[in-house]
Amino acid sequence: DTEVTQTPKHLVMGMTNKKSLKCEQHMGHRAMYWYKQKAKKPPELMFVYSYEKLSINESVPSRFSPECPNSSLLNLHLHALQPEDSALYLCASSQDEGVYVEQYFGPGTRLTVT
Amino acid sequence: GQQLNQSPQSMFIQEGEDVSMNCTSSSIFNTWLWYKQDPGEGPVLLIALYKAGELTSNGRLTAQFGITRKDSFLNISASIPSDVGIYFCAGLSYNNNDMRFGAGTRLTVKP
Repeated sequence: DTEVTQTPKHLVMGMTNKKSLKCEQHMGHRAMYWYKQKAKKPPELMFVYSYEKLSINESVPSRFSPECPNSSLLNLHLHALQPEDSALYLCASSQDEGVYVEQYFGPGTRLTVT
Repeated sequence: GQQLNQSPQSMFIQEGEDVSMNCTSSSIFNTWLWYKQDPGEGPVLLIALYKAGELTSNGRLTAQFGITRKDSFLNISASIPSDVGIYFCAGLSYNNNDMRFGAGTRLTVKP
């Protein structure tokens, strides 16, 4: 089973709203990732968690706040977003963090900021 | 940072034709991955390559890890309509903290 699940599938929020994206995997993977993908572009890395600790933050604005409650769950808390933050947000996981691992992606959350 | 140059940018082919796409870099990668993404969905891993010169098949798909570690190609044989989508190469190396993606190849298959 190489399934990563994400909820919600679609989200529309105003610039003053607070919302959260959720990601879950039950493959026993110890590394989890958040990516942002704009239309017709490849995914861009936002955050990496390794063994439930934040490993990489690719200079993401503080209006995006990641959280890893346990090894199976990854959240992305959203607050005071801008319309340009509208994108497909992808979660991924891998067995470990490193160069000889495969990342498996979830289906994504399509976020629209109005 | 290390950039991946993926080509072609798009392809329009007839059902049944073979397809080839590739990624090149000026730097060495330790792992090459190929993903397919359908509209509104997440990328799905097709093939992973870990050794220089490695040739790996997955059904009608064949991918190779270049001997110089700076390139990889993906071939699709006897294309079918469900092959339509965007194909991304991705690379991992000790020089980077993150996985680098190519810009993608958009494949259209005409029945």
